[in-house]
Amino acid sequence: GNSVTQMEGPVTLSEEAFLTINCTYTATGYPSLFWYVQYPGEGLQLLLKATKADDKGSNKGFEATYRKETTSFHLEKGSVQVSDSAVYFCALRGDTGGFKTIFGAGTRLFVKA
Amino acid sequence: DAGVIQSPRHEVTEMGQEVTLRCKPISGHNSLFWYRQTMMRGLELLIYFNNNVPIDDSGMPEDRFSAKMPNASFSTLKIQPSEPRDSAVYFCASSPRGESNQPQHFGDGTRLSIL
Repeated sequence: GNSVTQMEGPVTLSEEAFLTINCTYTATGYPSLFWYVQYPGEGLQLLLKATKADDKGSNKGFEATYRKETTSFHLEKGSVQVSDSAVYFCALRGDTGGFKTIFGAGTRLFVKA
Repeated sequence: DAGVIQSPRHEVTEMGQEVTLRCKPISGHNSLFWYRQTMMRGLELLIYFNNNVPIDDSGMPEDRFSAKMPNASFSTLKIQPSEPRDSAVYFCASSPRGESNQPQHFGDGTRLSIL
């Protein structure tokens, strides 16, 4: 079945550092890939998405590229801010089987001033 | 645009009591999902509906859990009787269509504590 694996946290960075959170997936067919962010006390919210191979999703300085050859969708940001501290979830939504979304375990990011 | 609305935001009750969580999806969305989030198990899908019909309830942990969607604008998740291990944050989410390129929109959750 479909699955998502993302790097374990927590990840601790200093402000203005470069961020990478790795995400790989297993899926049949042509899934769409997503990154969600969860701030304390809130629900998950969509950060970016990519719906086909080689698509790049981007938002708020974050970006991720849908790599079918390596089955990856790594999240990157060139310069993190304290306000980026949150939990990040990689997710996959298949194109069959009722379109259920599979979430990774989440990666907690702490950014220090 | 109103987002997904969940109520109550917090619920504290004693074990054995019935708990009902409520969700109003975004208007026009026809897929609705209930999740449970805990530190130990992370985010778990409990059940989801397409066009008010339950499609997959394999994530519902026990018969004590039940979910209904009587119409397109309302869903409930009920736990009866409740137990301390049911303590978690419960999220409802909706999405526009049953297609893979649509993201889910989450409510702010109900934080449930069973004493």
